[in-house]
Amino acid sequence: EAGVVQSPRYKIIEKKQPVAFWCNPISGHNTLYWYLQNLGQGPELLIRYENEEAVDDSQLPKDRFSAERLKGVDSTLKIQPAELGDSAVYLCASSQGGQETQYFGPGTRLLVL
Amino acid sequence: GNSVTQMEGPVTLSEEAFLTINCTYTATGYPSLFWYVQYPGEGLQLLLKATKADDKGSNKGFEATYRKETTSFHLEKGSVQVSDSAVYFCALSGNYGGSQGNLIFGKGTKLSVKP
Repeated sequence: EAGVVQSPRYKIIEKKQPVAFWCNPISGHNTLYWYLQNLGQGPELLIRYENEEAVDDSQLPKDRFSAERLKGVDSTLKIQPAELGDSAVYLCASSQGGQETQYFGPGTRLLVL
Repeated sequence: GNSVTQMEGPVTLSEEAFLTINCTYTATGYPSLFWYVQYPGEGLQLLLKATKADDKGSNKGFEATYRKETTSFHLEKGSVQVSDSAVYFCALSGNYGGSQGNLIFGKGTKLSVKP
């Protein structure tokens, strides 16, 4: 069974540019999470989807971050415009409905210059 | 609010040494507790979990016991191997309202095992 897929794995952009990250969860997992992991820190939740509905986006900086999961499967996280402080690893995870165990993708490492 | 505190790293051990990584938590209600491991260049993987007080999670020689009285979930392994070198994260699962199912992580503890 394929795991959580994320792309790209690495991205380098200049500040003020837009950037987008893509995630494909494990087949059949209706819950999808985006986490932000700063260097030397644990992941912090940005947004959680149940199917196509964002049920917890309280930690998403909505002035520059947006996310979508239009068909309840793949998801895209966007930053526009990017700032230097956005340099971090962006992790996607998924879980089956009602299950606590989350399965993580390898992450996208973003560097903003 | 809910939070997780784990011991600062890095931790450096010789092969076959005993490992303990301390983790304590603050939470409303009765969260589930987890240890995740992150090997270099890879995503986080679930190592073990416990869902209620006095439960013991175990996997690959690692163990952790959910201690409600001390709000702790310390990770232990009797004999570490070089292949155990990784970053270990303690986490709890929010168990109320809109945060149900959300994971709250500690800062991680980097373990290096020398041959």
